Amino acid sequence: EIVLTQSPATLSLSPGERATLSCRASQSISSFLAWYQQKPGQAPRLLIYDASNRATGIPARFSGSGSGTDFTLTISSLEPEDFAVYYCQQRSNWPPLTFGGGTKVEIK
Amino acid sequence: EMQLVESGGGLVQPGGSLRLSCAASGFTFSSYSMSWVRQAPGKGLEWVSVIGGSGGSIYYADSVKGRFTISRDNSKNTLYLQMNSLRAEDTAIYYCAKHRKVATIDDFDHWGQGTLVTVSS
Repeated sequence: EIVLTQSPATLSLSPGERATLSCRASQSISSFLAWYQQKPGQAPRLLIYDASNRATGIPARFSGSGSGTDFTLTISSLEPEDFAVYYCQQRSNWPPLTFGGGTKVEIK
Repeated sequence: EMQLVESGGGLVQPGGSLRLSCAASGFTFSSYSMSWVRQAPGKGLEWVSVIGGSGGSIYYADSVKGRFTISRDNSKNTLYLQMNSLRAEDTAIYYCAKHRKVATIDDFDHWGQGTLVTVSS
């Protein structure tokens, strides 16, 4: 099973600041990584697929990079609606499809 | 507009059974693999099971293998999850989720609102 480790667990930032979230895989997953955003009481929303492709309707301030075992989600300038929990997910080696433990981006 | 609507959650005693449903609309249901993903209270996301568009290619997480059964009725555009021998650790919000690409098990581009399953005596 591929384990995804997200860091940091919590990121405290102010609106307008840049957010950098990390996801590390226990073995190479090529570019088969997705990122999701989840707000309280809501279902997750797909942000990025295949490491760097924005999903439909996702603003350009969200970008993804990386390949192999190290991946990054960057939010260039935080908007108030971006404070949420972010999860990565791999589809390289399954079953099982696996998710990281999440990074909470909170208002400083 | 694509829509996924889950139902069937509730309170059940340990060892009991429950059947979840997910009604899909707004896309060609039979063309896409579908998964169930759960989230225990205050915890992260856990993939549970996937089924291919035709009903084949079925896989389960080890934590539910032998207890849960995924199925689909393409004539009704509905996904199911039969859950037997339920345990306290199965308590979670259960989401149905659509895979992004046709005939591919990849990431999830649409999710339902979730249905809460509580296993407790």
